Amino acid sequence: GAVVSQHPSWVICKSGTSVKIECRSLDFQATTMFWYRQFPKQSLMLMATSNEGSKATYEQGVEKDKFLINHASLTLSTLTVTSAHPEDSSFYICSANLAGAGGSTDTQYFGPGTRLTVL
Amino acid sequence: GNSVTQMEGPVTLSEEAFLTINCTYTATGYPSLFWYVQYPGEGLQLLLKATKADDKGSNKGFEATYRKETTSFHLEKGSVQVSDSAVYFCALRANTGNQFYFGTGTSLTVIP
Repeated sequence: GAVVSQHPSWVICKSGTSVKIECRSLDFQATTMFWYRQFPKQSLMLMATSNEGSKATYEQGVEKDKFLINHASLTLSTLTVTSAHPEDSSFYICSANLAGAGGSTDTQYFGPGTRLTVL
Repeated sequence: GNSVTQMEGPVTLSEEAFLTINCTYTATGYPSLFWYVQYPGEGLQLLLKATKADDKGSNKGFEATYRKETTSFHLEKGSVQVSDSAVYFCALRANTGNQFYFGTGTSLTVIP
């Protein structure tokens, strides 16, 4: 099946620094990728939709200047947490759509997630 | 708006026990419904899906039926195995756009 990878899997950083998380579709092209945030014992919350070649679409309440998304190619999207603070500590998960032959896009493939800890 | 509510865990069962994880949803229009599973240390994987009312999704012995009248998509398995230990997420995709809405996840532990 389709594989999505994330790098790094775990990152610890100091408050005030920026952290970049990569999401790659390894064996398919993804025009659309999604970034989620998951708090302990809570659901995945959609943060933004990343579109190749255009600006990301952010969900209400998500600061676009805080969480910079770049979808540079059909296989790579990056999420940069700028000036990270302890409250940004969370599990960040990306996913990518795999379009079927008929154009169906209702299957998302998820990366393994990146755990960010901000000290 | 769109939302998913699923039963809280954790759930602990003995091997070969019957499993039910309840899931109900609120949506505008006619969403597609999904169950995803997350094994320890891995990403979410699609377990099964149903795209219209009365459809039954099934995979690996798991089943769920799209019930429009009760807005539910409960996950069931007749005989669980230790290897089924994971976190299970119910999700819906609205009929417009590609956005998914997830439940909070239910942790299942199956003991020998």
